Amino acid sequence: KQEVTQIPAALSVPEGENLVLNCSFTDSAIYNLQWFRQDPGKGLTSLLLIQSSQREQTSGRLNASLDKSSGRSTLYIAASQPGDSATYLCAVRRRGGSQGNLIFGKGTKLSVKP
Amino acid sequence: DTGVSQDPRHKITKRGQNVTFRCDPISEHNRLYWYRQTLGQGPEFLTYFQNEAQLEKSRLLSDRFSAERPKGSFSTLEIQRTEQGDSAMYLCASSGGLAGPYEQYFGPGTRLTVT
Repeated sequence: KQEVTQIPAALSVPEGENLVLNCSFTDSAIYNLQWFRQDPGKGLTSLLLIQSSQREQTSGRLNASLDKSSGRSTLYIAASQPGDSATYLCAVRRRGGSQGNLIFGKGTKLSVKP
Repeated sequence: DTGVSQDPRHKITKRGQNVTFRCDPISEHNRLYWYRQTLGQGPEFLTYFQNEAQLEKSRLLSDRFSAERPKGSFSTLEIQRTEQGDSAMYLCASSGGLAGPYEQYFGPGTRLTVT
């Protein structure tokens, strides 16, 4: 059974710091991995999607890496800003079956202090 | 079309009542997903449609839950005889079109409170 773990559960940093959020998964047979942002009481916003054949994806100040063999992904946020404060979720899509569902971690709650 | 929409945004109901939620996906997306999220947890998959066909259902989707997508466009999720444990955020997502079949775009969610 695929399990997704995110460490740390919460993180507080001063504005301007570079930071890394971690995601690990137990079954390397994944189709892709997606990082999301969720603001309190709101839906999810897709940040980056990495296919299983890719090593990393970049969007602006965000960089996500994937090491499928070790079951790990990291989300790197450069020059953090107070507006980055949110919960960050990673999710994997398993290989095989209908490939319909994503399996999520519990998220990392990020607070960036001005 | 600006994204996935869900209605209502909030629903408070008494235990034992039936509730129905609606999701309108991004218009060119043929895949539609329902998830449930409780406080402090990540979303949990409930069910998935490709066009009007329901291709996958989670064990979380008990016989009190039913989802439909009759014309391959909007979808409804009905919960019968609600229980307090059904209180959660119900999220809808869609995928397909130019972005490819697998990148899911989420709606704002419907927050259900069962009293």
